[in-house]
Amino acid sequence: DTEVTQTPKHLVMGMTNKKSLKCEQHMGHRAMYWYKQKAKKPPELMFVYSYEKLSINESVPSRFSPECPNSSLLNLHLHALQPEDSALYLCASSQGGQGKGSPLHFGNGTRLTVT
Amino acid sequence: AQSVTQLDSQVPVFEEAPVELRCNYSSSVSVYLFWYVQYPNQGLQLLLKYLSGSTLVKGINGFEAEFNKSQTSFHLRKPSVHISDTAEYFCAVSALRGGADGLTFGKGTHLIIQP
Repeated sequence: DTEVTQTPKHLVMGMTNKKSLKCEQHMGHRAMYWYKQKAKKPPELMFVYSYEKLSINESVPSRFSPECPNSSLLNLHLHALQPEDSALYLCASSQGGQGKGSPLHFGNGTRLTVT
Repeated sequence: AQSVTQLDSQVPVFEEAPVELRCNYSSSVSVYLFWYVQYPNQGLQLLLKYLSGSTLVKGINGFEAEFNKSQTSFHLRKPSVHISDTAEYFCAVSALRGGADGLTFGKGTHLIIQP
């Protein structure tokens, strides 16, 4: 069982839809992440929140909009996506920064298909 | 900048045989190294980590890895594999970014266990 919970597990959306991915952790972690993983590729970092503030945006298109309502929740709002955005979206959390090498804990992901 | 190289994209091994998955890293600062495993349709699970101290690190499911600073390597080993070890294995290096421990992944090695 994973300690990071992602919903929904699967999502199919059209290019004009608006949808949201949700992530929740109750480990008291203060850093949360969104990664995108295409088939047979490693995860690629999209966003990092540290202490509920957006600290890294890896030049992600504005059709992806992250939100961190509180220290336990992380959302990814999707709007006007393209078919090439179809991928597995992974949420992760870690204890926090200071460069101590805290391991990331991953959820099982949301499999997104854009039609 | 930090990077990770996994030279083998696929490693076939017979059941109960030993296996080594290779990982080399590049970093200009102190490194924190990780191995993650990803089973089909799941997120990433931490196998083991090297932060400091003993260069031989033991992880879950009978895996271990050895940190070699002079060869900039962090190879993963298991003395006897099982069918259930079939999965994608990612080596990763951690860096403090934006107040959080961001991970940079290698391209992954697909471990195939043959009966």
